[in-house]
Amino acid sequence: NAGVTQTPKFQVLKTGQSMTLQCAQDMNHEYMSWYRQDPGMGLRLIHYSVGAGITDQGEVPNGYNVSRSTTEDFPLRLLSAAPSQTSVYFCASSADSAYEQYFGPGTRLTVT
Amino acid sequence: QQQVKQSPQSLIVQKGGIPIINCAYENTAFDYFPWYQQFPGKGPALLIAIRPDVSEKKEGRFTISFNKSAKQFSLHIMDSQPGDSATYFCAASMRSGGSNYKLTFGKGTLLTVNP
Repeated sequence: NAGVTQTPKFQVLKTGQSMTLQCAQDMNHEYMSWYRQDPGMGLRLIHYSVGAGITDQGEVPNGYNVSRSTTEDFPLRLLSAAPSQTSVYFCASSADSAYEQYFGPGTRLTVT
Repeated sequence: QQQVKQSPQSLIVQKGGIPIINCAYENTAFDYFPWYQQFPGKGPALLIAIRPDVSEKKEGRFTISFNKSAKQFSLHIMDSQPGDSATYFCAASMRSGGSNYKLTFGKGTLLTVNP
């Protein structure tokens, strides 16, 4: 099993550009989530999904969109990138709850 | 409002020492308390977790102590090794409508174990 995979590993965007961060898992997990990690801020929940077709907002959802059309994939879309969205983004999945989450390797995003 | 407060921000110990990382929470609806370990350039990984009806849990050299009345829990690393150098996050989880759960993380502790 590959576990949770994320692409790309690194990305540089200009302010106002849009892009999609990809996340996929091959463990048949129902629960998937996106976090951002900033120095001294820990991990903050952006959006999460408890199954295909069901998504909800986390702590810091503004500026991000998600959809969940399949169990395996949970892409995160940045609508109009801003420097404040410079961060490391982690996707995670778990079997049935938020308890034991498996994290991907992360995407380091820089917005100039 | 920070729901899970973690301290210290950073910690340096010598090999063989016992680093202790503390976390406190306010919301009594939290019902599961995991700790995650993160090495540089990697995603966090679940290390150990505890439920509030248990006062202590050990897994190898890692121990969680839980004080429900004080709403505090801590991670102890026995006989620490340089390979334990990482960032450690405490977290708390609670039901958020129906069967949904949300995980809230502390801000992390950067542990350095010197040889």
